[in-house]
Amino acid sequence: NAGVTQTPKFRILKIGQSMTLQCTQDMNHNYMYWYRQDPGMGLKLIYYSVGAGITDKGEVPNGYNVSRSTTEDFPLRLELAAPSQTSVYFCASSYKIGGANYGYTFGSGTRLTVV
Amino acid sequence: AQSVTQLDSQVPVFEEAPVELRCNYSSSVSVYLFWYVQYPNQGLQLLLKYLSGSTLVKGINGFEAEFNKSQTSFHLRKPSVHISDTAEYFCALEVGGSYIPTFGRGTSLIVHP
Repeated sequence: NAGVTQTPKFRILKIGQSMTLQCTQDMNHNYMYWYRQDPGMGLKLIYYSVGAGITDKGEVPNGYNVSRSTTEDFPLRLELAAPSQTSVYFCASSYKIGGANYGYTFGSGTRLTVV
Repeated sequence: AQSVTQLDSQVPVFEEAPVELRCNYSSSVSVYLFWYVQYPNQGLQLLLKYLSGSTLVKGINGFEAEFNKSQTSFHLRKPSVHISDTAEYFCALEVGGSYIPTFGRGTSLIVHP
C-alpha cells in the first residue's frame, strides 16, 4: 500500500516557467489537500478537494491551479513560477467516518526552487 | 474562527528526560485534535488523535496527549525521550463538520545526548 505518492521530489524552475506537481493516493480517500511549508511558518493550505470534480481555494491559492478528475489524482499546477513559490509542497488525503476525521496521510513532499 | 497555538517554537531536552510540547486551541464548537511528527526531509506522520471519549490519548512511539476542554489544551507528553525523537511536531485541529484542518506553526524538539 503506497499511501500518498508525490512526484517529483526535487525541482528547480526558472522564473516564468510552469510545471505540474503530481499527487496520487491509493486509499480511496475522498478528501485531498495541497499545502506549502516555509521555514518557521507551518503549513499553508493552497487548494483542497472533497471529491472527484470538486475543488476549492485554501488560504494561499494565488499562482496555483488544481484539478480532480479522479479520486486518486490531485495535481497542482504552477503557472509563471515566481521566487515566492520556492517552498516545500505537501499533498495529503483523508477520510471521514460518521463525520469524524481519522487523520491525514501526507506524501513525502516536493522541494521546489524558483531561480 | 478556530486557531491553534503551539507555545514553544523550540524545546531542547536531554535524552531519557521527560518532555511536554504544549498546544492550545480556540474554537467555539467541538473539535477533533491531532499531533503530527515530521522527521527531517519527510512528510508529516500522524502520532495520535482525539476524536471523542477518553481524554487521555495514546499514540505511537510512546507519546500520549491529554485533551483538556476547560483549558482548551492538548499537550503532548513522553516520559523518556530518545535521540530519534528529534523532529518537528505539529498540533492540528478540525472543527466537527468541516474538512479543513488548522495547523499550528510547529515545535522543534531537539534531544541532546
